[in-house]
Amino acid sequence: AQSVTQLGSHVSVSEGALVLLRCNYSSSVPPYLFWYVQYPNQGLQLLLKYTSAATLVKGINGFEAEFKKSETSFHLTKPSAHMSDAAEYFCAVRTYAGGTSYGKLTFGQGTILTVHP
Amino acid sequence: GAVVSQHPSRVICKSGTSVKIECRSLDFQATTMFWYRQFPKQSLMLMATSNEGSKATYEQGVEKDKFLINHASLTLSTLTVTSAHPEDSSFYICSARNQGPYNNNEQFFGPGTRLTVL
Repeated sequence: AQSVTQLGSHVSVSEGALVLLRCNYSSSVPPYLFWYVQYPNQGLQLLLKYTSAATLVKGINGFEAEFKKSETSFHLTKPSAHMSDAAEYFCAVRTYAGGTSYGKLTFGQGTILTVHP
Repeated sequence: GAVVSQHPSRVICKSGTSVKIECRSLDFQATTMFWYRQFPKQSLMLMATSNEGSKATYEQGVEKDKFLINHASLTLSTLTVTSAHPEDSSFYICSARNQGPYNNNEQFFGPGTRLTVL
């Protein structure tokens, strides 16, 4: 079984400050990990993904995340927050199920990021 | 890039009626599509996996007779909410898996459909 826990349902930062959104996963096999962003009343947009290559993954809009196996974490960071970063962020895990089955995405509970001037 | 569309974006219907939501992959073929449901301030919950040309696979607790899924072509999957009731009001999001050689089976998400049942 696989699961994802996002610590903190709401995170508030000042514009220009560091953004840190926490994600811990549980998986019995090596996982693929994802961060998605969702703006109000819209679908999900992929920010970045870890697929067993480099542990530090760079994504769009200046975001990056580091896969730490020892900590079972995949925290999302951005050095300097922008007002346009305000949205809801979801961490997700997918495990390879073997054969032609690529497994299902399991999402965390989501973290709403607020950026204030 | 790979684009997934959904139609309609919003729908309001009366209790007891049926509503069909379409999900299309616009620039790639998708043998597998997924339907998710998202309640306010909650995460996405997978409802079913839709496979082109075969029956959908439903997650535990999802009524297959209430949420009818048809994946008749490589670019279209439909979700029909039959005999809708107010508790079916939710945000429904589809996703299509791009199995092309350069996309590593990445899932692309549609913009969602807001269903309100009165």
